[in-house]
Amino acid sequence: GAVVSQHPSWVICKSGTSVKIECRSLDFQATTMFWYRQFPKQSLMLMATSNEGSKATYEQGVEKDKFLINHASLTLSTLTVTSAHPEDSSFYICSARSRTDYGYTFGSGTRLTVV
Amino acid sequence: EDQVTQSPEALRLQEGESSSLNCSYTVSGLRGLFWYRQDPGKGPEFLFTLYSAGEEKEKERLKATLTKKESFLHITAPKPEDSATYLCAVQAVGNEKLTFGTGTRLTIIP
Repeated sequence: GAVVSQHPSWVICKSGTSVKIECRSLDFQATTMFWYRQFPKQSLMLMATSNEGSKATYEQGVEKDKFLINHASLTLSTLTVTSAHPEDSSFYICSARSRTDYGYTFGSGTRLTVV
Repeated sequence: EDQVTQSPEALRLQEGESSSLNCSYTVSGLRGLFWYRQDPGKGPEFLFTLYSAGEEKEKERLKATLTKKESFLHITAPKPEDSATYLCAVQAVGNEKLTFGTGTRLTIIP
């Protein structure tokens, strides 16, 4: 089955620093990758959609200069949280859509804590 | 705007006690309805995709059904390992994005 690897699984950083989260489709090529944010006991909120070689499309209210997305290849997308603040602490999840069966596969998530 | 509402918000069942979870949706043309399972601190795990009213899919103790307005996830004789949050999501025609419901937290008591 399709597998999406997301790293790191958890990270603690100091306020003002930047953190990069990697999302990689291991056994398939992804037409599109999605980044979500999830608060405790809440559902997934879509932050942005990215296609390989194109600029990401951000949802309303998401700061594109704070959450930088790079989709360098058909198997890799990265999310960089720049100048992180405690309010950016959350659970971030990526998803990749296969270009063959068009299914959506999710990564295991990254718990970001900003102190 | 596409909307997904899941009920109940939380459900506690005794082991072996069958029940159903509901997902009501409004979408401008349904491309697909997805069910996922999410364990604490993990990403969603794919369960089913349903594409048209009347469609049913089964996997072990789970069975998903779809009508034009809602989907049900039936769980038969659940076990404690079925405890998780179950998420429903819809994809509209012409749109790659998924719209998620808030989920049902299912707890199976031994």
